[in-house]
Amino acid sequence: TQLLEQSPQFLSIQEGENLTVYCNSSSVFSSLQWYRQEPGEGPVLLVTVVTGGEVKKLKRLTFQFGDARKDSSLHITAAQPGDTGLYLCAGSDGGSGAGSYQLTFGKGTKLSVIP
Amino acid sequence: EAQVTQNPRYLITVTGKKLTVTCSQNMNHEYMSWYRQDPGLGLRQIYYSMNVEATDKGDVPEGYKVSRKEKRNFPLILESPSPNQTSLYFCASSLDGRANEQFFGPGTRLTVL
Repeated sequence: TQLLEQSPQFLSIQEGENLTVYCNSSSVFSSLQWYRQEPGEGPVLLVTVVTGGEVKKLKRLTFQFGDARKDSSLHITAAQPGDTGLYLCAGSDGGSGAGSYQLTFGKGTKLSVIP
Repeated sequence: EAQVTQNPRYLITVTGKKLTVTCSQNMNHEYMSWYRQDPGLGLRQIYYSMNVEATDKGDVPEGYKVSRKEKRNFPLILESPSPNQTSLYFCASSLDGRANEQFFGPGTRLTVL
């Protein structure tokens, strides 16, 4: 089983500050996804990165996939209270395990943005 | 509306009493999966299915069964629930299980006494 380590586990910041969340592994992933989960709901996909070194922007959110496809980061600029939630990264083995397509999730970063 | 539905949303039961949590998707997705989410442990995959009649174990399959007789449904069965199966369960589906978006259901909070 491939492991994904997310850091920090908890993050509490003031509105308007910038932050970065990290997702690291010793394994190579064929793709990596970032989800956001709000209390009482299931995770919702934010982005998928596939190519090593890829950078994707979604408004104030910037996602980067490491060159070696073992790590990723999520940077939020000028955080807002609406960004509050649990951020999860998930890596796909791309079928490398006996033809399966398992998705491994990190434990998540719980972000609180204080007005 | 494209969605994944789960029932029940909340369930309190006792040890040993068989239960089934249903999951249904209306997006004609081939891939479906069950996860459990526990504090400090994150989301862990229980079982997944690449298509009808094709199921595989995830990371924590012990104590669970699944079936995929129809494309839209993927029930999770606990034959003899135990307290360590108290958790928040999510069903998810995606087009074909590769680098595609997984759509999650709203979750089922299960308590086993």
